[in-house]
Amino acid sequence: GAGVSQSPSNKVTEKGKDVELRCDPISGHTALYWYRQSLGQGLEFLIYFQGNSAPDKSGLPSDRFSAERTGGSVSTLTIQRTQQEDSAVYLCASFRLGSGYTFGSGTRLTVV
Amino acid sequence: EDQVTQSPEALRLQEGESSSLNCSYTVSGLRGLFWYRQDPGKGPEFLFTLYSAGEEKEKERLKATLTKKESFLHITAPKPEDSATYLCAVQARSYGQNFVFGPGTRLSVLP
Repeated sequence: GAGVSQSPSNKVTEKGKDVELRCDPISGHTALYWYRQSLGQGLEFLIYFQGNSAPDKSGLPSDRFSAERTGGSVSTLTIQRTQQEDSAVYLCASFRLGSGYTFGSGTRLTVV
Repeated sequence: EDQVTQSPEALRLQEGESSSLNCSYTVSGLRGLFWYRQDPGKGPEFLFTLYSAGEEKEKERLKATLTKKESFLHITAPKPEDSATYLCAVQARSYGQNFVFGPGTRLSVLP
């Protein structure tokens, strides 16, 4: 597709359950970012993938968070044992030199 | 401490009333300053990248400028469709490849 696709668009889960969020970047974009946006807060960096290099995981808030990128394309962000403070909009962005950064519409996660 | 701040937090303008939004940053080794527009329920939409002090970029009613400590997003004769949250983000040597976003300015343009 022409843009960055994220699914699901909305997810409501019970505290303690695991969730998987998916990001389909723009074809040919080599870099992929995950950010989190909480209500009234700025975007918080989570993780960055670039080609085949080891990902920059420095923004992951705890070891309950993990992400992978398969085949240099689709990425999955997994949150284990979700907590209410994990409620936020999770945004994915992909990048290619000359094309700039493009964000998806995000996944709104609500932990009840 | 490196940080990115934006002011004002919220701004209400009448249609046609020009104004400016501010993004101040304290980082070392700036690689780029980015402006995004975000509509409710959507991801940020890229507007501009500025790389060095003195640089300016324009797009329709928007003009972005950069100094060594801050950036301004000037909005000339805004229209209601310009209503959105405007985010700035900084990429710097100390951050590696990621961006640090400011908290945003919520702009409302009234008809």
